[in-house]
Amino acid sequence: AQKVTQAQTEISVVEKEDVTLDCVYETRDTTYYLFWYKQPPSGELVFLIRRNSFDEQNEISGRYSWNFQKSTSSFNFTITASQVVDSAVYFCALSGEYGNKLVFGAGTILRVKS
Amino acid sequence: DVKVTQSSRYLVKRTGEKVFLECVQDMDHENMFWYRQDPGLGLRLIYFSYDVKMKEKGDIPEGYSVSREKKERFSLILESASTNQTSMYLCASSLTGGTSYEQYFGPGTRLTVT
Repeated sequence: AQKVTQAQTEISVVEKEDVTLDCVYETRDTTYYLFWYKQPPSGELVFLIRRNSFDEQNEISGRYSWNFQKSTSSFNFTITASQVVDSAVYFCALSGEYGNKLVFGAGTILRVKS
Repeated sequence: DVKVTQSSRYLVKRTGEKVFLECVQDMDHENMFWYRQDPGLGLRLIYFSYDVKMKEKGDIPEGYSVSREKKERFSLILESASTNQTSMYLCASSLTGGTSYEQYFGPGTRLTVT
């Protein structure tokens, strides 16, 4: 069975701090995909990134970066120089090779204070 | 841009009522999904559909049914609403074919059953 664990229920930081959101996954599949979504207060989930299991290169997009480590089954998300607009619930998700189904973690609430 | 719309943002129904939640996507996606979101549990898949008139149960289908008569529209039906179905309901859509594509979400419907 597939499982995603986001152990951090809620994180509070002050603006301009760096923050890392942890994601640990379990799967028996050789090929799988990992995702991060952001859910701002408006409620609509916004897709951030998709990574397949054969691509372990870290990715950076502006202030966002992702660290994928198969050895520890982790796909962590770092926001550099956080801003108030980063306040949201962040979800990590996992799917199999022909993944029509996403398995979501419980989500991490990020609060960025000015 | 992919657009997924849901018929209502907020809905209040009484126990025992039949409830219809409608979802429409405009990007010709084959796959459509219904999730419910509850605090601390993340998103859980209720049903998904990979083609018109095709459907598959997700992780928590009990008490729900779905209908997909047209490619762009996917309806979630609560045959007899109960208070434990009070939740946020999210619809999503994605491409299909050979890999796991990201899902695009609607704004959600917050359903309260009294």
